[in-house]
Amino acid sequence: EAGVTQSPTHLIKTRGQQATLRCSPISGHTSVYWYQQALGLGLQFLLWYDEGEERNRGNFPPRFSGRQFPNYSSELNVNALELEDSALYLCASREGGYTEAFFGQGTRLTVV
Amino acid sequence: AQRVTQPEKLLSVFKGAPVELKCNYSYSGSPELFWYVQYSRQRLQLLLRHISRESIKGFTADLNKGETSFHLKKPFAQEEDSAMYYCALNPTGFQKLVFGTGTRLLVSP
Repeated sequence: EAGVTQSPTHLIKTRGQQATLRCSPISGHTSVYWYQQALGLGLQFLLWYDEGEERNRGNFPPRFSGRQFPNYSSELNVNALELEDSALYLCASREGGYTEAFFGQGTRLTVV
Repeated sequence: AQRVTQPEKLLSVFKGAPVELKCNYSYSGSPELFWYVQYSRQRLQLLLRHISRESIKGFTADLNKGETSFHLKKPFAQEEDSAMYYCALNPTGFQKLVFGTGTRLLVSP
């Protein structure tokens, strides 16, 4: 069974541009989480989607947004990119409740 | 607010030595706690969760509600234990994982 897949693996953007990151959860998982892993800061919770709805968001500005599609895949959009947005963005999926979260390999976003 | 603190960024031990990775949390309710591990060039994966009370790869962790701690322990470290370890908390009703900043464990021969 395929795990959580994220694309692209690497993304280089210029300051002010927009970035779109994609995540495909494990089949049967309805919840998708996005985390930012910046150097020295650990994993910061960004967004949680479940059944197509945004259920919770972390302490990030509105230019971080996303959506979940009917097939439960998800997109993270970052508008007006800033240099400090450079980080590894991790997606995780869960079947629901307090079950184990499975993580993707991440998308490395570099803003120059 | 929920918070997880891992005070050590790096823990370096010799093979065969005991290991304790510290994790303290702040949360007023009854949390669910996890340890996740990330080996070199691999994705983050679950190591253990407190409700299962199991030992995985020789690691155990006990929830101490009085001290609000969930330290990860192993009596005899192995070189293959070298990795990044993250403690995480799932607050009741929120279904999101709050992670600590991680501790890098380095086990030398």
